[in-house]
Amino acid sequence: DTAVSQTPKYLVTQMGNDKSIKCEQNLGHDTMYWYKQDSKKFLKIMFSYNNKELIINETVPNRFSPKSPDKAHLNLHINSLELGDSAVYFCASSQVTSGGQGEQFFGPGTRLTVL
Amino acid sequence: QQQVKQSPQSLIVQKGGISIINCAYENTAFDYFPWYQQFPGKGPALLIAIRPDVSEKKEGRFTISFNKSAKQFSLHIMDSQPGDSATYFCAASGGRALTFGSGTRLQVQP
Repeated sequence: DTAVSQTPKYLVTQMGNDKSIKCEQNLGHDTMYWYKQDSKKFLKIMFSYNNKELIINETVPNRFSPKSPDKAHLNLHINSLELGDSAVYFCASSQVTSGGQGEQFFGPGTRLTVL
Repeated sequence: QQQVKQSPQSLIVQKGGISIINCAYENTAFDYFPWYQQFPGKGPALLIAIRPDVSEKKEGRFTISFNKSAKQFSLHIMDSQPGDSATYFCAASGGRALTFGSGTRLQVQP
């Protein structure tokens, strides 16, 4: 009964390739996120979707394209991978309430290594 | 531009001691301040969170102190245990996304 799941857990690929990371949440949340954690452990928001609509799009190269087929899924496709894309990518979800920001639940992460 | 500054970068505490991690923010629109705990190879997990209408929140051995006028908040871990050894992140939000601090690696020595 994993709350937020990501596949794959590890992804090793060559520069220039295209790859996708998938995320699913079974919490019934309306908002999903992608965060990037770099080698220094710094966590930074990349994208956020609310009810399948893109609401946050930080300064991220347009090689990164999120897609949300439904409220429970948020995938991340990366074109023409570069060495600097190597990082751990975390998916998260939350439910915004009248009280404001709800708890964000994070997935286990996908460690992407670009050779 | 780092909107949430966290210190120290690393912390070593003896078992039973108090661990204190500090954060400062710049954006006065932030209204939600969570702390996350991350173990190696795992995703961050919410530890405790506070909103600016209170100055302190305690859950078990974990306490957040919040100073709105100084735009600072801190995490206190009482009776620190070796199992608390992890990386701790403060964060802040004024809407949907979290802005994270740079993280503190805590080691609790037995």
